[in-house]
Amino acid sequence: AQKITQTQPGMFVQEKEAVTLDCTYDTSDPSYGLFWYKQPSSGEMIFLIYQGSYDQQNATEGRYSLNFQKARKSANLVISASQLGDSAMYFCAMSPALGGNTPLVFGKGTRLSVIA
Amino acid sequence: NAGVTQTPKFRVLKTGQSMTLLCAQDMNHEYMYWYRQDPGMGLRLIHYSVGEGTTAKGEVPDGYNVSRLKKQNFLLGLESAAPSQTSVYFCASSYYRGEAFFGQGTRLTVV
Repeated sequence: AQKITQTQPGMFVQEKEAVTLDCTYDTSDPSYGLFWYKQPSSGEMIFLIYQGSYDQQNATEGRYSLNFQKARKSANLVISASQLGDSAMYFCAMSPALGGNTPLVFGKGTRLSVIA
Repeated sequence: NAGVTQTPKFRVLKTGQSMTLLCAQDMNHEYMYWYRQDPGMGLRLIHYSVGEGTTAKGEVPDGYNVSRLKKQNFLLGLESAAPSQTSVYFCASSYYRGEAFFGQGTRLTVV
């Protein structure tokens, strides 16, 4: 069975510092996608970044980058230059078979608090 | 551009009552999903659909039923609500690569 593990229930980071949120995954499928979502206190789910299992380069989207280490089955989210607005829950998710017709499997999330 | 819309946003039910949550998407996505979110549990899949007229069970389907009569709508039903079904419910839809677009959530309390 596919599984996502986020081992950090909560983290603190100083404003303007970088922070890494850990995510490991387990799948036997060679083709899959990895996602990160942000959930602020208002409750909506906001898509941040995507990495395909066959992508050669690590994905980047503005201040977000995904540190993809396929052999270790990890897909850590790096947020550079943290801002107060980055305080939120962050969820790592995986689509077990790239193609879109298999549901996303989510980790339990990491609550990030950015301190001024 | 509405995206994914959930109705209602909040609801309080008494134990044993029934209700239907409506999810509508205007992105012509084939795939739609219902998740529930509970503290410390992340998002858990209840049911999903890979196309009009099809549904499948997810991780926690017991006590729920779904229907996808039209491509743009995905309904989640609770036939006899229980306090254990108190949760925040999210509907989502996706296209080819699995990126899911979420509705704003429905906060359901069963007393």
